[in-house]
Amino acid sequence: QVQLVESGGGVVQPGGSLRLSCATSGFTFSSYGMHWVRQAPGKGLEWVAFIRYDGTNTFYADSVKGRFTISRDNSKNTLFLQMKSLRPEDTAFYYCAKASCSDNVCFYFDQWGRGTLVTVSS
Amino acid sequence: DIVMTQSPDSLAVSLGETATINCKSSHNILYRSNNKNYLAWYQQKPGQPPKLLISWASTRESGVPDRFSGSGSGTDFTLTISSLQGEDVALYYCHQYYIVPHTFGQGTKVEIK
Repeated sequence: QVQLVESGGGVVQPGGSLRLSCATSGFTFSSYGMHWVRQAPGKGLEWVAFIRYDGTNTFYADSVKGRFTISRDNSKNTLFLQMKSLRPEDTAFYYCAKASCSDNVCFYFDQWGRGTLVTVSS
Repeated sequence: DIVMTQSPDSLAVSLGETATINCKSSHNILYRSNNKNYLAWYQQKPGQPPKLLISWASTRESGVPDRFSGSGSGTDFTLTISSLQGEDVALYYCHQYYIVPHTFGQGTKVEIK
């Protein structure tokens, strides 16, 4: 049974930093690309970042490029999102999502964690 | 970026009736080399993460009731919920994975009339 459990959310001041983690189990983590997707309270879904199964390639939404870094530790089956220079508009639930992949090409999100809330406020 | 536009924003349907949600892409998301539409549908209930319902525009995920069906190609797609049940009250999102950045429709809220 696939499990994705996010942690690390909380309240942070504008300009601050936070590191989110996503602990995974129930699948071969090192074989799949992974995403972060966020959702501001009461709003829609926004894709944030993607990392290839081996960490060699990453992609970011323009809204977070240069401020957020996605990474992974395949030895610990864990995904990370380092967030810096946080802004009030970054306030959201952050979900990690497993990609459905084939031959190292990844597509839709087939499993989601329950999310962790990040609040950027003074 | 590919813009995904859903319609309507919300709809109220009687139990047992059919709900139809449309999703229009600003770009063709049919990949001609494999003839697949890079479009997924998710259901999100209050306080829960999204749940994958349909991938490749029309492939129902294992365990998803067959009253949920997806159709369409190119730029125009539809999610149909036949014989609406109370547990289908939720937000529904379409998602294109044809190109980065992945983008979502704004969501459609389905309620019981």
